Amino acid sequence: QVQLVQSGGEVKKPGASVKVSCKTSGYIFATYGISWVRQAPGQRLEWMGWISGHNGNTNYAQKFQGRVVLTTDTSTATAYMELRGLRSDDTAVYYCGRVGSGYDPLYRWGQGTLVTVSS
Amino acid sequence: EIVMTQSPATLSVSPGQRVTLSCRANQSVNSYLAWYQQKPGQAPRLLIYGASTRATGVPARLSGSGSGAEFTLTISSLQSEDFAVYYCQQYNSWPLTFGQGTKLEI
Repeated sequence: QVQLVQSGGEVKKPGASVKVSCKTSGYIFATYGISWVRQAPGQRLEWMGWISGHNGNTNYAQKFQGRVVLTTDTSTATAYMELRGLRSDDTAVYYCGRVGSGYDPLYRWGQGTLVTVSS
Repeated sequence: EIVMTQSPATLSVSPGQRVTLSCRANQSVNSYLAWYQQKPGQAPRLLIYGASTRATGVPARLSGSGSGAEFTLTISSLQSEDFAVYYCQQYNSWPLTFGQGTKLEI
């Protein structure tokens, strides 16, 4: 069955970077994309960007342009989200989700990764 | 950016009741509208896509309708497992955006 398993929680200091992994299984990685969504405490879900599993094409929400980098490793069917220049308001649960294309809902979700930014 | 607004923020209901949740966009999203359910400590789960198509495994008591900028999610007879937060999401244009959620509470 389709599974997306994310890396464990992280605690980072302001200004640092974090890299969250999303290991997939149960489907052909190259035929789907991965979207990343975050949820800060008490806030709505926020879409960060999308990456194609086929060719690595990306699209980022303008809010995160220049701070987020999405990558994939097709050999391990794993997607990565790196967020740089962390601030306290980046404290959130970060989710990966399988999508058909960049214009798709998230059909399957990872379990989420809590990233805490604190000095 | 398309802004999604859900109403009400919270709905107090009883098992067996019929409920309707609303989602409005500030411009047309055609039928590119999804609904998710989220329970405490869990990731969201896709319920409806294309405004009215149920995802795999979603019971028939949940139904979605609407197009353009006005959408609804109806639960015909609430079960205990339906008490959760529900989000709508448009995927018509980037950035994809979500509503602020409607919480169903007993």
